Amino acid sequence: DGGITQSPKYLFRKEGQNVTLSCEQNLNHDAMYWYRQDPGQGLRLIYYSQIVNDFQKGDIAEGYSVSREKKESFPLTVTSAQKNPTAFYLCASSIQDESSYEQYFGPGTRLTVT
Amino acid sequence: LAKTTQPISMDSYEGQEVNITCSHNNIATNDYITWYQQFPSQGPRFIIQGYKTKVTNEVASLFIPADRKSSTLSLPRVSLSDTAVYYCLVGAYTGFQKLVFGTGTRLLVSP
Repeated sequence: DGGITQSPKYLFRKEGQNVTLSCEQNLNHDAMYWYRQDPGQGLRLIYYSQIVNDFQKGDIAEGYSVSREKKESFPLTVTSAQKNPTAFYLCASSIQDESSYEQYFGPGTRLTVT
Repeated sequence: LAKTTQPISMDSYEGQEVNITCSHNNIATNDYITWYQQFPSQGPRFIIQGYKTKVTNEVASLFIPADRKSSTLSLPRVSLSDTAVYYCLVGAYTGFQKLVFGTGTRLLVSP
């Protein structure tokens, strides 16, 4: 089955610690994305990558970092600089097509920082 | 990016048709209209996408009037499992797929 996997589903960290969220896809998609969702809100774009070894900041990149060393993988690191890291994090991927707005989302990682 | 307005919540019963309307008065010529569905604690799922007139797939229909200032997602004969948040997104490809999610419409389907 093709799809996107995110691990772990739940993650707990102490304030001041960096934490890395995993995202893997086997859809052979060039583009990958990270979103953050807060309770009752829509998704906000953190970072996106259109090709291996390249990525761009989204709307709320401060306090986050990413890497794209392989086509299949796009890990997100939530650093201690992120002021309010507790949230639901979603990874997505898509083909690069001007006429398509279909992104495939993973199951998400719920991060709680105390 | 065009701003969208949709109802905060809607209620329906099993077997009914549900129509969720989204207003996007300042939609641009190159903008597409896309709808996503999200269940609690899951990632959103693409439902349908359109540019003008009517689009239908196995899940839903999307109606877009000639002026494109609004769109209506139609879900035929909903079931309890259609209870979810539905997002209307409007935007154009600017080198990548920028999806801008609002707060969506929370649909509750009752028996």
